Amino acid sequence: DMKVTQMPRYLIKRMGENVLLECGQDMSHETMYWYRQDPGLGLQLIYISYDVDSNSEGDIPKGYRVSRKKREHFSLILDSAKTNQTSVYFCASRQQSQNTLYFGAGTRLSVL
Amino acid sequence: GEQVEQLPSILRVQEGSSASINCTYENSASNYFPWYKQEPGENPKLIIDIRSNMERKQTQGLIVLLDKKAKRFSLHITDTQPGDSAMYFCAARITGNTGKLIFGLGTTLQVQP
Repeated sequence: DMKVTQMPRYLIKRMGENVLLECGQDMSHETMYWYRQDPGLGLQLIYISYDVDSNSEGDIPKGYRVSRKKREHFSLILDSAKTNQTSVYFCASRQQSQNTLYFGAGTRLSVL
Repeated sequence: GEQVEQLPSILRVQEGSSASINCTYENSASNYFPWYKQEPGENPKLIIDIRSNMERKQTQGLIVLLDKKAKRFSLHITDTQPGDSAMYFCAARITGNTGKLIFGLGTTLQVQP
């Protein structure tokens, strides 16, 4: 069963704290993504990773960094979180030769 | 430009009627156009897609049309049911741009019994 798993599902942090969002996939997909979703703004691409240690900025990378040390895992890191980073974060993956993106269930992050 | 405009943002229809959502894109090099459905609290899921070498595709009550000249594509849901109520996103991918999808802002579809 193809699956993209995100942890944690819900997270509350204080402004200035560091945040680590984890994403795993069991399909050996080369390409992985981090999006954030905000009301009225749709899905905005933060970072895209083409494979291990091959990451590229998306449309809104400021305030975020990523890590991909294994093909199956893609982490999103917020160093010193800000209140405007409160959002729902979705990870997705795609096999390079295919078109379909598979999304995880999302992480709802609140930065207080 | 790489923006995808999606309209309407909210669509209310009566059960059994059809619903249409329209998207336009800017980059003529776009070659792949998926539609995702997202139910409340859930993740987006692909429901249908169309490539630039096609003008129409249909599957299980869903029809997508692509007009490359007008840079416009649309989703038509026939015989809507309450289970069709959800957020729908269109997206476009540019040829040669490895994997990057540009999403529209979404349409909230409400099917009223």
